[in-house]
Amino acid sequence: EPEVTQTPSHQVTQMGQEVILRCVPISNHLYFYWYRQILGQKVEFLVSFYNNEISEKSEIFDDQFSVERPDGSNFTLKIRSTKLEDSAMYFCASSEPPGREAFFGQGTRLTVV
Amino acid sequence: TQLLEQSPQFLSIQEGENLTVYCNSSSVFSSLQWYRQEPGEGPVLLVTVVTGGEVKKLKRLTFQFGDARKDSSLHITAAQTGDTGLYLCAVYGNKLVFGAGTILRVKS
Repeated sequence: EPEVTQTPSHQVTQMGQEVILRCVPISNHLYFYWYRQILGQKVEFLVSFYNNEISEKSEIFDDQFSVERPDGSNFTLKIRSTKLEDSAMYFCASSEPPGREAFFGQGTRLTVV
Repeated sequence: TQLLEQSPQFLSIQEGENLTVYCNSSSVFSSLQWYRQEPGEGPVLLVTVVTGGEVKKLKRLTFQFGDARKDSSLHITAAQTGDTGLYLCAVYGNKLVFGAGTILRVKS
C-alpha cells in the first residue's frame, strides 16, 4: 500500500539552528501539506503546496518557514532559525484533489533545545 | 473560536461499553471526515460523510452527518482496548482543518 514517508523520525537541534524535514509523498498525489502538533495539542495546518507553489499558509508559517519540492519525489520543510516553541511533531500529508483522503506520514518529532 | 468543536475532550471507559463522541460547528460543510491518530503516528482516515443525515458503518463504528451538515457523531459499540486513540474530525476548505480531538482510552 502506498504511504507517505518522513525522515528523520526524530531530530534534536539547538535553538537558532536550521532544520530541514523531509517527506516523500505518494507518487501520484498532487497536493502536499505540512501540519504540526505540539505535544498534547491539536493538529495545526501550516502550509499547502500545489503545482510547485504554496497555495495556502497559516499564520504560524512565517518567514522562518519555507517549503520546497526540489525534485519529483521529495517535499521539504525548512525552519531557518529554530525556536524552543517550534518543538512539535511535524506531519507531512499528500492527497489527490482536496476533499479526498489525505494520507499522513508518521511524523518527525522535532526537539529544540 | 474553533471551527470544529469536539466533545468530550477525554473519555475513559471500560471494554465492552458503548460511547459517542461529537463534532459540532456553526458552519455548513460539503463533507466531513473522521480520522484516528495513535500515539507517535499520523492521523489515518476512517470515513468521509457527504450527505446530510448520512449514516456510515465501519464494523463497530457508526458515523452520522447531521441533517444540516453542521455536525457529526461517532458511536462505538462494545469498545475494545484497540479503539484507544485520538479521534479527530476534519473538514476541507482550501485545506484540511482538524478539531482538537477526543482522546479515548478503553480499559480492559
